[in-house]
Amino acid sequence: GAGVSQSPSNKVTEKGKDVELRCDPISGHTALYWYRQSLGQGLEFLIYFQGNSAPDKSGLPSDRFSAERTGGSVSTLTIQRTQQEDSAVYLCASSPAPLGQGEDTQYFGPGTRLTVL
Amino acid sequence: QKEVEQNSGPLSVPEGAIASLNCTYSDRGSQSFFWYRQYSGKSPELIMFIYSNGDKEDGRFTAQLNKASQYVSLLIRDSQPSDSATYLCAGGGGVTTDSWGKLQFGAGTQVVVTP
Repeated sequence: GAGVSQSPSNKVTEKGKDVELRCDPISGHTALYWYRQSLGQGLEFLIYFQGNSAPDKSGLPSDRFSAERTGGSVSTLTIQRTQQEDSAVYLCASSPAPLGQGEDTQYFGPGTRLTVL
Repeated sequence: QKEVEQNSGPLSVPEGAIASLNCTYSDRGSQSFFWYRQYSGKSPELIMFIYSNGDKEDGRFTAQLNKASQYVSLLIRDSQPSDSATYLCAGGGGVTTDSWGKLQFGAGTQVVVTP
């Protein structure tokens, strides 16, 4: 596809269940980012990948959160034992190279709206 | 204290006027600054970036960076109703390669352009 895609678009789950969110970046983009946005809030950085490696995981809110990227392409964000405070829109973005390295383009996916009951 | 601060607004601007948005940051190690626009219910889009002190112009948008005072601003000239959105300021990209790509975001300023 031409843009960043995410699936599912909506996910409703019960507290305590695990969820997996998927992101397909733009082909050839080496940098991939995960953010979350709670209602009426700004963006919260979670993690970014350069290729398959994540130089900085400090944005992950707790050890219930993990992410991986394989083949320099698709990434999955996994939340274990979901809590109500995990409810948010989870956004994925990609760029040809990491921002802050002279890269000035970044494209966002449509997001996954997660609701934990 | 958040690392990146913005006034939440709303900032009401008459059509055709200049909208001025400000952002301050606390991390002196931040090297790169970005402005995003987010329409209600939509994903953000990156509209401007700035790395050097001074002004950077792109069409109707001008970003200004003052590292000594630790502030970034965005000017929108000839504001149009289509500019009504929330504008997010972000900073990051320090001197180490591990920090590239990690941005801290402000909560955003809502701009309303009135016809």
